[in-house]
Amino acid sequence: GENVEQHPSTLSVQEGDSAVIKCTYSDSASNYFPWYKQELGKGPQLIIDIRSNVGEKKDQRIAVTLNKTAKHFSLHITETQPEDSAVYFCAGGYQKVTFGTGTKLQVIP
Amino acid sequence: EPEVTQTPSHQVTQMGQEVILRCVPISNHLYFYWYRQILGQKVEFLVSFYNNEISEKSEIFDDQFSVERPDGSNFTLKIRSTKLEDSAMYFCASSREGNGNQPQHFGDGTRLSIL
Repeated sequence: GENVEQHPSTLSVQEGDSAVIKCTYSDSASNYFPWYKQELGKGPQLIIDIRSNVGEKKDQRIAVTLNKTAKHFSLHITETQPEDSAVYFCAGGYQKVTFGTGTKLQVIP
Repeated sequence: EPEVTQTPSHQVTQMGQEVILRCVPISNHLYFYWYRQILGQKVEFLVSFYNNEISEKSEIFDDQFSVERPDGSNFTLKIRSTKLEDSAMYFCASSREGNGNQPQHFGDGTRLSIL
C-alpha cells in the first residue's frame, strides 16, 4: 500500500515568513495529493489539492508543488499569519488517500 | 457551505460495551468514509462505503467494526465490543465521487474514550 512520509514534524516561523512542508510517497500509481489543516478540536479541513497531471498549483498564499519522478510534493505558505498555526497533513493515493504524520506549524507574532 | 456533522462530540463507554458513532454526510455526496486518529498521531483510514456496500477497508477495520447507512441521511460506525485501544478521535468524511482523486470533506469528529 501507499506510504506517505512528512517532514518536519514541527515548524516555527516568524509572522510574515514562509513555511515549507515536504512529503514523499511510495506508490507510483498515486495521482491525488490533498493537504489538510487541522485546528485544535476540529476535523481536517481541505486547504488545497493537486493531481498528478499538474506540477504546481497556487491559491492566494498557499502553493503546492508535485514532482512525480521523485515522488515528492510540498506545501508552501507565504506571508504567514498567526491564524496559520495548526497541524498540517499531506495525503496521497489512488483509490483512497493515505495521510502523512503531520506537521505542527507555529507562527510567532 | 454544506458540512459533515458528527454526533456525539464526545462518547465515554465502558470496555466491552457497544458504541455507535453517527454522521450526516454532505447531502449530494455519494461516498462515505470513517477515519481514526489516536491522540497526537496521524489520521488512519478505516473504511469507505458506496451504494450501501463497503468498497474498501483497512486492517484496523476488523469484525468488531461495522458501518451502515440506515436511512437517506445518516452514516454510522458501530464498534461491537470496545477495547481500551479503541480510544481515539473518529472522523467521518464524504466526497461527491469516490475514484480516489476527489476532495473528501471531514466532520469535526467524535472523541471516543473507553474506560
